[in-house]
Formats: sequence, structure tokens, C-alpha cells
Amino acid sequence: DAGITQSPRHKVTETGTPVTLRCHQTENHRYMYWYRQDPGHGLRLIHYSYGVKDTDKGEVSDGYSVSRSKTEDFLLTLESATSSQTSVYFCAISESRQGDGYTFGSGTRLTVV
Amino acid sequence: SQKIEQNSEALNIQEGKTATLTCNYTNYSPAYLQWYRQDPGRGPVFLLLIRENEKEKRKERLKVTFDTTLKQSLFHITASQPADSATYLCALGTTAAGNKLTFGGGTRVLVKP
Repeated sequence: DAGITQSPRHKVTETGTPVTLRCHQTENHRYMYWYRQDPGHGLRLIHYSYGVKDTDKGEVSDGYSVSRSKTEDFLLTLESATSSQTSVYFCAISESRQGDGYTFGSGTRLTVV
Repeated sequence: SQKIEQNSEALNIQEGKTATLTCNYTNYSPAYLQWYRQDPGRGPVFLLLIRENEKEKRKERLKVTFDTTLKQSLFHITASQPADSATYLCALGTTAAGNKLTFGGGTRVLVKP
């Protein structure tokens, strides 16, 4: 996980509250991604970013928003948390060449009660 | 719809033997395929990349094949060791911008001494 950190590592929140997860990188990589991992579904892309202020949706983006105001930080916000958003969230980074492997963070385990 | 399938059943194997994992996909035309290792409570770690015009790639005790006709990749761990016990994920990428990956659900490998 060198060069990429996620915070917090664990969080319990109540239904209907906003939640922001942070991903910070020190590698100066162009691309950043947010995935969620659930049993039976594997890793699913929520949102990704290809540069400062440049973001796009992934396959499961409903209920989530992102922001990237600096190269090193990519924030994921759950506007109004629901129990279906209980999951493990992973941030990943990659350089800009097609096929470059991802470096993942250690994940954030989010529980919505 | 696009689908990536990995054997959801755990693979139990004796130390020293070769573990072979499969990754099958449908309705997808990947430009490249990657394999990752994931340990419990950790983020995935990139292992190998193979592109659509390559048949085979090796890295130490790991070997990956890619058959675009069969729409299948095989991942081999030769001379397996207990330390190889983990979940292994395949991921497919296309030529679309963003170096986005779609992941399979993973196969757990347990190497017994």
C-alpha cells in the first residue's frame, strides 16, 4: 500500500447521514478509482478520475459523488447513507498507460446501521 | 451483459503442486487482462499483465495464458507454497480511456503443507 492511504479504515454511520471517504496518494499518478467490494459481486467501479476536476461514473455510481481538487486527493461522498452501501471501499491509482497495474489502498470498511 | 467468471469454490492444493485458476468472460473484447492477489483485510496486489496479442506470460513461479478465441485466461502457480494461500482476482481492460478494469469475483486458494 506504499504511496496510497485511505481514511478512515473503519466507520459506522447511521442511515441518512452523509459520509466522506478520503484517498490520498504520493505517487503523482493521473488516474484514481473508487471500488466497492461485496461478497458475491467482487470489486465494482463506483467513480474514477483522470485528472484534477475530471471525473466520470462507473457501473454503480448511484448514491455516490466524488471530487478531485488536487492530484493527490480523491474524495468519495455518500450523500445520504443507506444500508445497501455497507461495504468495503477500495481506492486505487494507476499511471496513464493502458494496462498499467493498479495500486490499491488498504480499504475502508463502512457499516451503515 | 458483460460477465467475468472465476470459480467461486476454493481451490485446495498440496504444497509443491501446481494450482490452476480459470477466468472466463462473455460479451467482452478485452485489450488486456490482469491478475491480482488479495489477502484477507488487504487491498488487491497487482501480479501480472497479459495483452490480447500475447499468448503467455511468466513471472517467477507464475504463468498466465490468454486465449481470446476461447475467451479464457488460465493462471498457474507452480511449486505452490503455503504462503501462496490467498484470493486471486482476474481483471479485464479495454482500449477505452481511463485504464478502467472490470474484476471477476476471485478464487480462493489454500495451499496445504
